[in-house]
Amino acid sequence: EAGVTQFPSHSVIEKGQTVTLRCDPISGHDNLYWYRRVMGKEIKFLLHFVKESKQDESGMPNNRFLAERTGGTYSTLKVQPAELEDSGVYFCASSSGQNTGELFFGEGSRLTVL
Amino acid sequence: AQSVTQPDIHITVSEGASLELRCNYSYGATPYLFWYVQSPGQGLQLLLKYFSGDTLVQGIKGFEAEFKRSQSSFNLRKPSVHWSDAAEYFCAVGPSYNTDKLIFGTGTRLQVFP
Repeated sequence: EAGVTQFPSHSVIEKGQTVTLRCDPISGHDNLYWYRRVMGKEIKFLLHFVKESKQDESGMPNNRFLAERTGGTYSTLKVQPAELEDSGVYFCASSSGQNTGELFFGEGSRLTVL
Repeated sequence: AQSVTQPDIHITVSEGASLELRCNYSYGATPYLFWYVQSPGQGLQLLLKYFSGDTLVQGIKGFEAEFKRSQSSFNLRKPSVHWSDAAEYFCAVGPSYNTDKLIFGTGTRLQVFP
């Protein structure tokens, strides 16, 4: 069974440019999460999808971030325009939603904004 | 405020030595507690979790953790470390009603010398 996959693994862009990160969750997992880790700090929750609906987006930093999950399958996280402070590792995770407490994480997408 | 503290940023141990990684949490309600590990080039993987019951929980890869409510701690232990345990370890806490929105600590990087 394929795990959570994320693309790209690393992206380097200049301030003001746009980047789109993609996450493919484990097949059949209705719950999809985005988390972010800024260098040396904790991993922070960004938002939570249940199928195609945003269940909780309280962690999204500002309106430069847009997450979508059309059709309830893969998700994208777009940053437009990117700022220096957006640099970090963006993790996607999925779960079956049965409250087992186990999130399945991807390897993360490292974003570097210059 | 809800938070997780991992006081040790970096720990170095010799292979075969015992290990204890510290985790303290601040949480207003009954916490669900987790330890995740991120090995190089991989996503975060759940090591173990505590929901209720026996305060000493066993996880994968020979790890265990003990929940101490009076100390607000959930320390991770392993009696004999293997070189393959070199990784970054994250403690996390989640609410009992929704176990998938987690608050993470800043992580502890473990280095193992032969």
